Amino acid sequence: GQNIDQPTEMTATEGAIVQINCTYQTSGFNGLFWYQQHAGEAPTFLSYNVLDGLEEKGRFSSFLSRSKGYSYLLLKELQMKDSASYLCAVLDSNYQLIWGAGTKLIIKP
Amino acid sequence: GAVVSQHPSWVICKSGTSVKIECRSLDFQATTMFWYRQFPKQSLMLMATSNEGSKATYEQGVEKDKFLINHASLTLSTLTVTSAHPEDSSFYICSARRISGDSYEQYFGPGTRLTVT
Repeated sequence: GQNIDQPTEMTATEGAIVQINCTYQTSGFNGLFWYQQHAGEAPTFLSYNVLDGLEEKGRFSSFLSRSKGYSYLLLKELQMKDSASYLCAVLDSNYQLIWGAGTKLIIKP
Repeated sequence: GAVVSQHPSWVICKSGTSVKIECRSLDFQATTMFWYRQFPKQSLMLMATSNEGSKATYEQGVEKDKFLINHASLTLSTLTVTSAHPEDSSFYICSARRISGDSYEQYFGPGTRLTVT
């Protein structure tokens, strides 16, 4: 079966750095997405990784290792507005998005 | 990033009536669009995949006669909830895929909150 694992909840302090991990086992791989979703809102696109390595985009970076079936989202200089759920999703061989359950990130002052 | 709009952003309707929700990709062409539903504090649930010019593919358990999907152009897909009931009250979110070379990016609309009374 297809499976995506990410922690259910994480807590971090304002101004700090947090890393949200995602491991996956899917039938094929055509890229991995990270989305941010605030309560009551639709997900917003953060990143899309197809090749191994780290991609940096401002305070957010996303890393992918296809051989390990592993990705992480790194958030730096945390702000209170970063409190949200972070969703990891993999595009499988049929170009279907397989979703993780999401990681609820709580930022404390 | 790419922009996907949805209209209306919220709607209240009476039980038994039909509601149409529009999803538009504003600055790119989307051959594939997706419709999701999300209940409070639950994960996104894919309802159907819509390809321009062809019939939508519905996920198991989703009634195609109740949730009518039309993908008439490369920038517009519509979801019509027919004979709505209170249990259809939910947050409906569309998503559009932008393909550029080997890149398959997927962007979400802001969602439509449906309340059926």
